[in-house]
Amino acid sequence: DTGVSQNPRHKITKRGQNVTFRCDPISEHNRLYWYRQTLGQGPEFLTYFQNEAQLEKSRLLSDRFSAERPKGSFSTLEIQRTEQGDSAMYLCASSPNRYEQYFGPGTRLTVT
Amino acid sequence: TQLLEQSPQFLSIQEGENLTVYCNSSSVFSSLQWYRQEPGEGPVLLVTVVTGGEVKKLKRLTFQFGDARKDSSLHITAAQPGDTGLYLCAGVGAGNKLTFGGGTRVLVKP
Repeated sequence: DTGVSQNPRHKITKRGQNVTFRCDPISEHNRLYWYRQTLGQGPEFLTYFQNEAQLEKSRLLSDRFSAERPKGSFSTLEIQRTEQGDSAMYLCASSPNRYEQYFGPGTRLTVT
Repeated sequence: TQLLEQSPQFLSIQEGENLTVYCNSSSVFSSLQWYRQEPGEGPVLLVTVVTGGEVKKLKRLTFQFGDARKDSSLHITAAQPGDTGLYLCAGVGAGNKLTFGGGTRVLVKP
């Protein structure tokens, strides 16, 4: 399967714990995006990378959130000191620098 | 802040009926996309519309982009249960980042 993959698919954590999600984009796609989707809503943009450079971060991305794409391939999104309001589906998408974005299946985070 | 509003939020119809979903923006986007999302999965791109007044057809789906590039619609003819899902419109902004509407949940009953 050469699509976008995300791991883990589900994560349950206790409030205050740190979590890290991974996204493996489609090979040779130079752009990678992170979005967050809460129940019953459309996805909201968090941040994006062109190769290894993080070009934009949404105001939704508080200091507790950090994203990296160290070699311009896979990316990680870390949330420190999780809060119940962080519970959501975290979606990753990659793009070959055109309009099209290809989404992964998402990581569903539940903070108890 | 650019906002996209979709209507209706939920639509339940019988198999064979037609439906239309609307997407309205407070400002102009360079292009607009429509996605379909199944439960527990990521959105899948259906179409990108770029030119004001553009109409695109994808089998039983017809997409229109308003002349002023601030609104769009998705029309499904003779809906089938397989059309059930969450339909999302998204405006394409700088860096090709997407601003999504709230989605329209469509249920097609057999």
